[in-house]
Amino acid sequence: GEDVEQSLFLSVREGDSSVINCTYTDSSSTYLYWYKQEPGAGLQLLTYIFSNMDMKQDQRLTVLLNKKDKHLSLRIADTQTGDSAIYFCALPRGGYQKVTFGTGTKLQVIP
Amino acid sequence: DVKVTQSSRYLVKRTGEKVFLECVQDMDHENMFWYRQDPGLGLRLIYFSYDVKMKEKGDIPEGYSVSREKKERFSLILESASTNQTSMYLCASSLPGQGNYEQYFGPGTRLTVT
Repeated sequence: GEDVEQSLFLSVREGDSSVINCTYTDSSSTYLYWYKQEPGAGLQLLTYIFSNMDMKQDQRLTVLLNKKDKHLSLRIADTQTGDSAIYFCALPRGGYQKVTFGTGTKLQVIP
Repeated sequence: DVKVTQSSRYLVKRTGEKVFLECVQDMDHENMFWYRQDPGLGLRLIYFSYDVKMKEKGDIPEGYSVSREKKERFSLILESASTNQTSMYLCASSLPGQGNYEQYFGPGTRLTVT
């Protein structure tokens, strides 16, 4: 099955940029997703990128996709304390809108 | 807005008890999912359902069963709870369709089995 790997933890200072990385094994996905889980809450879709794109920018968020290396990253500019959360990359797998989630990266923002 | 609710935020049960976790969505979604979330392991799919009374095993179905008698409600059942089922349980729903795999999540139920 699909393997989706992320580093477990990232710590940044408020105002710096954060880069969260994700590597995957299956290259047939049409969409690749980033979800955010705030403390005590479920996951919420943050952004996504089509597989025919290399980059997508959405305000402070930049998603980069390197299909050759099967690498996805999420950059958060001017990181704020409200960005502290767990971030999951996710790829579609099989039918019925099933998704494989990465292991999740916990982002800690230091004031 | 899609709303997915789960019956309890926190639950403490004893080993061997039968446990019911309920999930309700209000957007007429065909697909519903149960995951468990453990640190360092991400989300793992337990079961999913693509229609009323239809269910499929996910990656870790052992020790669990599910029920979907109505479109809006998807229940996860632990027939005989064990300590290794202590976890955060997340329910999600989605619409069928080409390409869009966005899932909508409930807030989660943190289950402790003692």
